[in-house]
Amino acid sequence: KAGVTQTPRYLIKTRGQQVTLSCSPISGHRSVSWYQQTPGQGLQFLFEYFSETQRNKGNFPGRFSGRQFSNSRSEMNVSTLELGDSALYLCASSAGVRYEQYFGPGTRLTVT
Amino acid sequence: DAKTTQPPSMDCAEGRAANLPCNHSTISGNEYVYWYRQIHSQGPQYIIHGLKNNETNEMASLIITEDRKSSTLILPHATLRDTAVYYCIVRVEPGNQFYFGTGTSLTVIP
Repeated sequence: KAGVTQTPRYLIKTRGQQVTLSCSPISGHRSVSWYQQTPGQGLQFLFEYFSETQRNKGNFPGRFSGRQFSNSRSEMNVSTLELGDSALYLCASSAGVRYEQYFGPGTRLTVT
Repeated sequence: DAKTTQPPSMDCAEGRAANLPCNHSTISGNEYVYWYRQIHSQGPQYIIHGLKNNETNEMASLIITEDRKSSTLILPHATLRDTAVYYCIVRVEPGNQFYFGTGTSLTVIP
């Protein structure tokens, strides 16, 4: 069974731009969660989608948004990029609540 | 409000058992404990999880105390490839939010 895939793997953007990251979950998984990892803050939860609905949201500004499609693929968008948004963005999929989450390789975003 | 507490770093000799402790004193009765590891900023890798019984799989064993306030991950025969940051995680209800904490950086020494 194929794992979680994320595209692109690396991205360089300029302050003020916006970016869209994509995540394809493991086949059959309906829950997709997004995390941001930085050296200073570690791994922080952004949001979770289940059956196209946002079920849970972390403590991030409204510039961070996401959505999930009917095939469970998910995208996250960051508008008006700031230098502090430079991070590794990780996506994880799960069969449901209380099941283990499987992480993708991440997208490394650099904002200059 | 920290959900889990782990020592920041540990060393283990190659071939010996690595015992990684975790404190989760505020865990609720129906919250599972998960263990993941992360190598060199790759995506975290699932290791094992449990509720109250001890668990074992091909990678590791998980020992949970009877009061469920702490647990220990055991890697029975550590290898150099087990060098990683190990996270003890409690899922934050509702939904599927994982609180990762700061983890333990395990170094396996030849």
